[in-house]
Amino acid sequence: NAGVTQTPKFRVLKTGQSMTLLCAQDMNHEYMYWYRQDPGMGLRLIHYSVGEGTTAKGEVPDGYNVSRLKKQNFLLGLESAAPSQTSVYFCASSYSKFRREFVYEQFFGPGTRLTVL
Amino acid sequence: AQSVTQPDIHITVSEGASLELRCNYSYGATPYLFWYVQSPGQGLQLLLKYFSGDTLVQGIKGFEAEFKRSQSSFNLRKPSVHWSDAAEYFCAVAGTNLASKLTFGTGTRLQVTL
Repeated sequence: NAGVTQTPKFRVLKTGQSMTLLCAQDMNHEYMYWYRQDPGMGLRLIHYSVGEGTTAKGEVPDGYNVSRLKKQNFLLGLESAAPSQTSVYFCASSYSKFRREFVYEQFFGPGTRLTVL
Repeated sequence: AQSVTQPDIHITVSEGASLELRCNYSYGATPYLFWYVQSPGQGLQLLLKYFSGDTLVQGIKGFEAEFKRSQSSFNLRKPSVHWSDAAEYFCAVAGTNLASKLTFGTGTRLQVTL
């Protein structure tokens, strides 16, 4: 099993450009998440999904959109990139069968390093 | 809402020495508590978790953590550190209500000297 994969690994954008980050998981997990990691700030939740076709806002959703058309994929979009969105983006997934607490045992992808000039 | 504090930004220990990383949380009741590790250039990996019951929990790679309600703490320990333990460690907390999300601390970077 590949676990959680993210595409691309690195990307440089100019201000105002758009892009989509792709996250895929092969563990049949219900829940998927997008985080951003900035120095000295830990991980902050951008958006999340509790199942196919559903998404919800996290702590820092402004400037991002997401879609979950298939259970195994979770897309993060930047419609008009800004320098403040320079960050490392992590996707994660989890499931809640057997015990609800398992939702918090999250499996992370390797990250995408995005630079916006 | 819950919050978590990791007071040490950076810690250096010698290989073979013991390790303790501090974590304090804020929550109105007993939360769910976690430690994650991030090796350079990698995503996060769960080290251990506390849901309820025994306050001393064992994790992978020889790590353990102790939940102390009176101190609102969940410190991570390892008796003898290996050079491969050099990484960034994140404490995380989640509330027990259905809408709660995982909240991460700012991380502690561990350097291991030979």
